[in-house]
Amino acid sequence: QKEVEQNSGPLSVPEGAIASLNCTYSDRGSQSFFWYRQYSGKSPELIMFIYSNGDKEDGRFTAQLNKASQYVSLLIRDSQPSDSATYLCAVRNNQGGKLIFGQGTELSVKP
Amino acid sequence: DAGITQSPRHKVTETGTPVTLRCHQTENHRYMYWYRQDPGHGLRLIHYSYGVKDTDKGEVSDGYSVSRSKTEDFLLTLESATSSQTSVYFCAISASASYNEQFFGPGTRLTVL
Repeated sequence: QKEVEQNSGPLSVPEGAIASLNCTYSDRGSQSFFWYRQYSGKSPELIMFIYSNGDKEDGRFTAQLNKASQYVSLLIRDSQPSDSATYLCAVRNNQGGKLIFGQGTELSVKP
Repeated sequence: DAGITQSPRHKVTETGTPVTLRCHQTENHRYMYWYRQDPGHGLRLIHYSYGVKDTDKGEVSDGYSVSRSKTEDFLLTLESATSSQTSVYFCAISASASYNEQFFGPGTRLTVL
């Protein structure tokens, strides 16, 4: 089992819809969770982080964390074509504190 | 890119030659990291630094060495480049190990022929 797992996609949604990206992790002691957006040919850009169970909202983005079920998700409301990118989930490892990245989910928002 | 530069941005080299990649930050962050990104493998940690002259290995450190003589610079060296080291290399920085929010540089695309 990989430490951090994401569906690779591509996930295709129509413009204006809600995109839902999911991530599961294996280290039950993990404390910090991050979502990065990566456009093709560019570097990862931090868009959300969450440390506590529940929801965290920032504009059109909502991160959801459920430590009991060991999953973290990212919702993008009113999806725009400019949201088309690969979204990377990262989890701070409880052993040594390093970030472990999932392989990313490719999102395509169709006009 | 949060005050992080990488040089060179692109490099083509031949098998067996040494290669050094440089990461420079202006944020005065304590922690610096080198990752490689390959299709099917995502981002994998090569080495990291938790202070000047303090470094440690990541999950894919074989064939790589690092040095950090100043807070702002973190060098990654491929002692004898191999074709399997063809990849995109990203540097990242973080101010805190507690939560470890990392910010990435623009990347270096390295091709080993």
